[in-house]
Amino acid sequence: AQTVTQSQPEMSVQEAETVTLSCTYDTSENNYYLFWYKQPPSRQMILVIRQEAYKQQNATENRFSVNFQKAAKSFSLKISDSQLGDTAMYFCAFDSNYQLIWGAGTKLIIKP
Amino acid sequence: DVKVTQSSRYLVKRTGEKVFLECVQDMDHENMFWYRQDPGLGLRLIYFSYDVKMKEKGDIPEGYSVSREKKERFSLILESASTNQTSMYLCASSPVGVVAGGSSYEQYFGPGTRLTVT
Repeated sequence: AQTVTQSQPEMSVQEAETVTLSCTYDTSENNYYLFWYKQPPSRQMILVIRQEAYKQQNATENRFSVNFQKAAKSFSLKISDSQLGDTAMYFCAFDSNYQLIWGAGTKLIIKP
Repeated sequence: DVKVTQSSRYLVKRTGEKVFLECVQDMDHENMFWYRQDPGLGLRLIYFSYDVKMKEKGDIPEGYSVSREKKERFSLILESASTNQTSMYLCASSPVGVVAGGSSYEQYFGPGTRLTVT
């Protein structure tokens, strides 16, 4: 079975610090996609960043970047210069057959 | 902007009631999804639909049914609500149908319905 594991239920950092959220997954597929989604308190889930497994280069979106290690099946999210608005639940997700498999989420709190 | 709306933000129902959760998207997306979100469990797929009148079971379909009579609308039905169905229900849509090998298209989410069954 395909699974996604987020080992950090909750993290907190000071504003402006860099934080890394971990995600590992298990699959026998070779072609797939990985995503990080963000769910701010009482707001809708939105996509943060995506990575295609066949691409070697790590995806980046402004302050957000990933460290994709295909052999290790690891897909961590780095948030640089963290801001108060980054406070949210962060979910890692994996897509190989038209549906997403989700991790349990990491609650990230940015402290002023 | 893609907009996904859900009929209620909060809903309180009694055990045994039939419950309808409605979801509407305005971007002509083929795929629509219903998830259940519980603390520590992430999102679990209940049902999804890749076309009108088409539906596929997700990981936890027991106790639920769905209906998609129009492309923009996807309904989740709890035939006889039970207390263990108290949860946050999220609807999502995405712009591509069934694709082998996965899809890079993001899913767009509604605001969620927090359902309490007493």
